[in-house]
Amino acid sequence: GEDVEQSLFLSVREGDSSVINCTYTDSSSTYLYWYKQEPGAGLQLLTYIFSNMDMKQDQRLTVLLNKKDKHLSLRIADTQTGDSAIYFCAGAPNTGFQKLVFGTGTRLLVSP
Amino acid sequence: KAGVTQTPRYLIKTRGQQVTLSCSPISGHRSVSWYQQTPGQGLQFLFEYFSETQRNKGNFPGRFSGRQFSNSRSEMNVSTLELGDSALYLCASSPGTVNYGYTFGSGTRLTVV
Repeated sequence: GEDVEQSLFLSVREGDSSVINCTYTDSSSTYLYWYKQEPGAGLQLLTYIFSNMDMKQDQRLTVLLNKKDKHLSLRIADTQTGDSAIYFCAGAPNTGFQKLVFGTGTRLLVSP
Repeated sequence: KAGVTQTPRYLIKTRGQQVTLSCSPISGHRSVSWYQQTPGQGLQFLFEYFSETQRNKGNFPGRFSGRQFSNSRSEMNVSTLELGDSALYLCASSPGTVNYGYTFGSGTRLTVV
């Protein structure tokens, strides 16, 4: 089955760019997502990318997809303290959209 | 429009009891999924319902069950609770026919003592 891995922790200074990385094993994942979770809250969908795309930009967020290496990254430009949270990448295996397989989550800490 | 509503927000139950969690999806969404989040196992898929039918199920014991009603609201039930069932249970809804991502509720925090 699908396996998704992320680095556990990232610390940046306010105003810097953050890059959160994710690797996945199932090359048939059609959709790949980034979610944000703040303490005590559910998951907030940040952005998604189809597997036939290499890049997607959405305001401060840039998603890069390297299908050959099965590597997904999320870049946050001009990182703010409010961006401090846990970020999860997730894939929808196969062609169905019935379930998501989540990575372990990366805790982003933004210091002033 | 209103988001995904999960009730209750917090629950404390005793081992051996059973519990029912509720999820109201976004209006018009026909798919509801359930996930369990724990520090040790992370986010794990429980099951997904679409138009009252279970389409997919994760690797959880039969003590975990769910259902979906004709108005798309969903419930999940856990019987014979164990300490290891303590977790944040998240519900997610989507239209079910396109895959632009799932919208999650704030979750129900279940503590089994």
